[in-house]
Amino acid sequence: GQNIDQPTEMTATEGAIVQINCTYQTSGFNGLFWYQQHAGEAPTFLSYNVLDGLEEKGRFSSFLSRSKGYSYLLLKELQMKDSASYLCAVRALYSGAGSYQLTFGKGTKLSVIP
Amino acid sequence: GAGVSQSPRYKVAKRGQDVALRCDPISGHVSLFWYQQALGQGPEFLTYFQNEAQLDKSGLPSDRFFAERPEGSVSTLKIQRTQQEDSAVYLCASSLVGTGFSGANVLTFGAGSRLTVL
Repeated sequence: GQNIDQPTEMTATEGAIVQINCTYQTSGFNGLFWYQQHAGEAPTFLSYNVLDGLEEKGRFSSFLSRSKGYSYLLLKELQMKDSASYLCAVRALYSGAGSYQLTFGKGTKLSVIP
Repeated sequence: GAGVSQSPRYKVAKRGQDVALRCDPISGHVSLFWYQQALGQGPEFLTYFQNEAQLDKSGLPSDRFFAERPEGSVSTLKIQRTQQEDSAVYLCASSLVGTGFSGANVLTFGAGSRLTVL
């Protein structure tokens, strides 16, 4: 099985930077995804890391260290609309079916305050 | 269609009733997934289809849950004899390729069907 941990809630100020951490334990690792989910809406794709290092995409960056089983999502220049849940998801080889399965963490609810 | 469409958006059922939730994936997407999301939790995997074949149903919580995708496009998740613990949002997601593809296989989610069992 897989074990994915991320903080339940975070609060940050508009215009600031926030880092949301995710740790995982799995075998057959094949990539880590971050999704954003506004209340009552569909999760939407933010980033994908499969190799170690930093991936930058506008105000959002995601980092991966496979040896440490660790990732973070960095949000810069926070805006009120960034208030949402951020889901860390790990893809791993599902030996039973010879394919890859995606498992989600419980999500981090981010509140951006003025 | 342009996105993944789910219906109904909201469903209230009395305990013991049967419900059917529909998912219309993006046209041409091979893979279709159903997830269950309880309040304040992340999505939990239920089942996976590659075209019309149900390749993985390991996440279905009981034999009251049944899913089908008979023509490899629209899928229906059916829950028989609903119970209060079935109350959750049921998310459908689709992707262009099958889960054997090792590259970035991004899932596109629908907005979900919120089921409340009284």
